[in-house]
Amino acid sequence: NAGVMQNPRHLVRRRGQEARLRCSPMKGHSHVYWYRQLPEEGLKFMVYLQKENIIDESGMPKERFSAEFPKEGPSILRIQQVVRGDSAAYFCASSPRDRGWGYTFGSGTRLTVV
Amino acid sequence: GQQVMQIPQYQHVQEGEDFTTYCNSSTTLSNIQWYKQRPGGHPVFLIQLVKSGEVKKQKRLTFQFGEAKKNSSLHITATQTTDVGTYFCAGADSWGKLQFGAGTQVVVTP
Repeated sequence: NAGVMQNPRHLVRRRGQEARLRCSPMKGHSHVYWYRQLPEEGLKFMVYLQKENIIDESGMPKERFSAEFPKEGPSILRIQQVVRGDSAAYFCASSPRDRGWGYTFGSGTRLTVV
Repeated sequence: GQQVMQIPQYQHVQEGEDFTTYCNSSTTLSNIQWYKQRPGGHPVFLIQLVKSGEVKKQKRLTFQFGEAKKNSSLHITATQTTDVGTYFCAGADSWGKLQFGAGTQVVVTP
C-alpha cells in the first residue's frame, strides 16, 4: 500500500520560472493538504483540498501560488514566477476523512530557486 | 487566530536520560496530534489525543492532553539515539484545521 507520493523530490528553478509540485495521496484518501517548511522551522499550512474542490486556502499567498486536485490525477501545487524566498521544502499530506484524523505525509519536494 | 507554542526549541539529552517537551495553545483544541521528523525526512504521525486529561503511552513515549484541552506534553524516558529528530505538536481547532508548533529539535549524545 503505497504511501503519499510526491515528485519531484528535488526541484531547481531559476528566478521567474514556474514550479509544479505533484502529490498523489494514499489509496483511499480523498483529503489533501499542502505545507511549506523553511530550514529549521515548523510546518506552515498552505491549502486543503478535496477532489475538485479547494476547501481552505487561507495559508496560500494571494499571488503566484495556486493548487488543484482534479477528479483524475495528482494534486498539483503551482508556483509561478518563483523568487528566492520560495526556496523551501513543500510537504503534501493526506487523510481518509475530513480534518481531525492523523495525516500521512509524503517525502516532500525540496525547491531551490537560483 | 489560533497559535500553538512549543518549548523548548532545542533539547540536548544524554543517552539514557528522560526529557519532556511541552505544547501550549492560545485556544481550546478539539484534539492534539504529535509528529516526529527525522533530519532530512518528513513528519510521521505518532498519536492523537482527544479527551480532556487523556494519557497515552507508546513504549518509552508518554503523551498527555491537559484538562483544559489547551496544552499537551510528550515525555520520553531512557532516551536512545533513535529518538533524534524534531517533535511537532499540532492542535486541531473546532473545524479540524491543524496548526503546527515550531517543534522541539532533539539531539542525543551517547
